[in-house]
Amino acid sequence: KNQVEQSPQSLIILEGKNCTLQCNYTVSPFSNLRWYKQDTGRGPVSLTIMTFSENTKSNGRYTATLDADTKQSSLHITASQLSDSASYICVVSARTGANNLFFGTGTRLTVIP
Amino acid sequence: NAGVTQTPKFQVLKTGQSMTLQCAQDMNHEYMSWYRQDPGMGLRLIHYSVGAGITDQGEVPNGYNVSRSTTEDFPLRLLSAAPSQTSVYFCASSYSDVSEQYFGPGTRLTVT
Repeated sequence: KNQVEQSPQSLIILEGKNCTLQCNYTVSPFSNLRWYKQDTGRGPVSLTIMTFSENTKSNGRYTATLDADTKQSSLHITASQLSDSASYICVVSARTGANNLFFGTGTRLTVIP
Repeated sequence: NAGVTQTPKFQVLKTGQSMTLQCAQDMNHEYMSWYRQDPGMGLRLIHYSVGAGITDQGEVPNGYNVSRSTTEDFPLRLLSAAPSQTSVYFCASSYSDVSEQYFGPGTRLTVT
């Protein structure tokens, strides 16, 4: 069964600290993995998309890694800011045409001063 | 370039009422989708379209209809609202099934 699991469910960190969010998946055949940031009351916004051949990708202070062998991904946030407070959603795309996206339930990150 | 727009932002309906949630995109994307997001659950696909005139069901299609008469617009119709349809609805579009999806700002629907 195609599934995407994220951990932790929620996380509280101090401003300026780093953190890492995890995503494990069982989606097959794999096409790509995406990380989205969703601010409260808004739609998700794409942070990174990684294909099978990419094992790391950065977008500013956000760095995503992918291990396609173990089917794991992580999102590392460096020097967190208050504006990083949001939900982070891992989405895995299967190579099966349309209707091929599998969503995690997200990690709720709160950055406190 | 407005991206993906949705109207209304908020809506309250009584059980049994019908309404249409509007979605439009100006990026000439072929792929468009409707999702609902409920607390503690991931986004769930309601209906999707791979081009004008083509629609298909997603994971939770019951109680919803869609049509795609143009590339730009993809309205979602609630036929007879039920309290179980209380949710936040997101429309998304993309160039292809493997490319980045762009989401609208969402419509928060409450059915009493």
